[in-house]
Amino acid sequence: DARVTQTPRHKVTEMGQEVTMRCQPILGHNTVFWYRQTMMQGLELLAYFRNRAPLDDSGMPKDRFSAEMPDATLATLKIQPSEPRDSAVYFCASGFNTGRVVTEAFFGQGTRLTVV
Amino acid sequence: RKEVEQDPGPFNVPEGATVAFNCTYSNSASQSFFWYRQDCRKEPKLLMSVYSSGNEDGRFTAQLNRASQYISLLIRDSKLSDSATYLCVVNALGAAGNKLTFGGGTRVLVKP
Repeated sequence: DARVTQTPRHKVTEMGQEVTMRCQPILGHNTVFWYRQTMMQGLELLAYFRNRAPLDDSGMPKDRFSAEMPDATLATLKIQPSEPRDSAVYFCASGFNTGRVVTEAFFGQGTRLTVV
Repeated sequence: RKEVEQDPGPFNVPEGATVAFNCTYSNSASQSFFWYRQDCRKEPKLLMSVYSSGNEDGRFTAQLNRASQYISLLIRDSKLSDSATYLCVVNALGAAGNKLTFGGGTRVLVKP
């Protein structure tokens, strides 16, 4: 059963620490999205990749967030240094981009981040 | 103005009743549309794609109105298990390529 896998599922860290979240997209998908969800803001797109190349990361605070795809089976989202306002659920999703449209995206179970 | 807007609800629905809600989008170049369902503390899951001619999947019917730039979801014979947040998703080709933009979600509560 193909699925998007995210690790860790939960993370509690102190302010100022580095946080790395990992995502394994579904095999064969060429597009990866990173979303952040909070009660106040809903689902916000942070960054997305097509064929491992970053297409848009305008939703991401550049000074502390970075997103990469070292290979087709791994996407990472890093926060350094972390702040309490970064507390949220971070979802990774993967799909297939034909160049004109993106198929439906499949979500991982999310990383619930708490920064204290 | 947000790219994708939804009434946050909640829509309180008696079991067995019909409920419908809309989602508006601002980018007229949007090319594909989806409804997702999200349960509390879970990830969003695809409920159905929305086709130009409208489509039905069991008790769920989705419609697209390109002229007025909205999509709708109708749930017939509501079940308690339909209680969830329904997210409207729009795919548009922008300067940076395709992206999926989510609405804020419409919360539906089905009560006995």
